[in-house]
Parts: sequence; C-alpha cells; structure tokens
Amino acid sequence: AQKVTQAQTEISVVEKEDVTLDCVYETRDTTYYLFWYKQPPSGELVFLIRRNSFDEQNEISGRYSWNFQKSTSSFNFTITASQVVDSAVYFCALSELNNSGGSNYKLTFGKGTLLTVNP
Amino acid sequence: ETGVTQSPTHLIKTRGQQVTLRCSSQSGHNTVSWYQQALGQGPQFIFQYYREEENGRGNFPPRFSGLQFPNYSSELNVNALELDDSALYLCASSLTGTGHGYTFGSGTRLTVV
Repeated sequence: AQKVTQAQTEISVVEKEDVTLDCVYETRDTTYYLFWYKQPPSGELVFLIRRNSFDEQNEISGRYSWNFQKSTSSFNFTITASQVVDSAVYFCALSELNNSGGSNYKLTFGKGTLLTVNP
Repeated sequence: ETGVTQSPTHLIKTRGQQVTLRCSSQSGHNTVSWYQQALGQGPQFIFQYYREEENGRGNFPPRFSGLQFPNYSSELNVNALELDDSALYLCASSLTGTGHGYTFGSGTRLTVV
C-alpha cells in the first residue's frame, strides 16, 4: 500500500530564512508521480510540482526547489528566503499511474506540514 | 479557462440527514475525484469518476456515493450523516492519460451536528 510521511507537523521560521519540508514515501510500483501542494487558509489545494518516478533531476522554480532521491524514497521541498506569504500547510502526495484508462488513479497525501513564516 | 467550482461553500446538517455536494470540473478535464479532509489531516481519497462511471474507490462506506454527468461535472452524496463526516470535501479534476496533476476546488466545509 502507498504511504506518505511528513514527519514535521509544524515549522516556524523568521522571514528570509531557508526552510526544508521533508517527505518520505512508500510504494511497490515502479511508475508513480510525486506532488507537492500548498493549502492556504482558504482551503484550496494549490499545485506546486509534479515529478514522475523516472525523472530524478532536481528542480528549481524561483525560491522553490525540490530534491527527489529514489534511493531514500524522499522528495523534499526547500523554500529559499522565506516570506510571510509562504505561510500555509504544505502537502506531499503520491500517485500511482492507472493503466486501465483512467487518469492518475488516486493521490495519497501526507498529513501536511504547517509552515509559519514570521516577519 | 475556468477552474474547479464547488458548491455550496459551507453546509450544516443534522446527524442522519443526507447531503449532496456539487463540483464543476475545469474546462477540458474529463475525470473527477473526491477527497475528504478532516481537520488537521491530509485529504483522503473517496472515489474517482471517469466516463460517468466510478473508476476507483477509497476506504469509504457505500453511503458515500457519486455521479458524473455528460458535461463531466459531478456530485457527491452522503446518506445517514454521522458526526465524523464533518470535514472539508475537495473535488479535483484532471485529464485522463496526460499524466498531468489535478486541479482542486476550494472545497465544501460540511459540519454535522
């Protein structure tokens, strides 16, 4: 069965600090996708990134970067020079590829990490 | 390009009642998934609909049911509401076969009293 673990329940930093959110996953599939979502107080899940299991290249997007390491089943997310607007709950999620015609089958989410960035 | 729209935004129901939540998928998306997010938890997969049929189900009892319509919009129905059904219900749409991620709506906050 799939499982996603976000060991950090809450993180509090001061603005401009760098912060890394950890994500460890379990799956028996060789083909899968990993996601990060941001959930502000409004409730909507905002898509940040999707990586497939065959692409271990790290990615950088502005102040955001992601470190995918298949050997340790980890997909960590770093925010550089954090800002107050980064305060939110961040979810890591895992999806199996559905080969029976449907879309990505289902997302299995971690419990989330509440990030608070203080001015 | 419109996003995913859910209605209503908030809802209060009494234990034992039935509720219907609605979701309009993003333009061009043909698959809809529903998730339940209890307070302080990550979203849990309820089920997914593709071509108007259920295409996978999570660990939820049969009193959770759904529909998908020809325009790809969807409904989530919950019968015999229980207090533990109080949660944020999220709808997500996607386009099958592309491997793209989901687009989520802002959710419906259901409170059962």
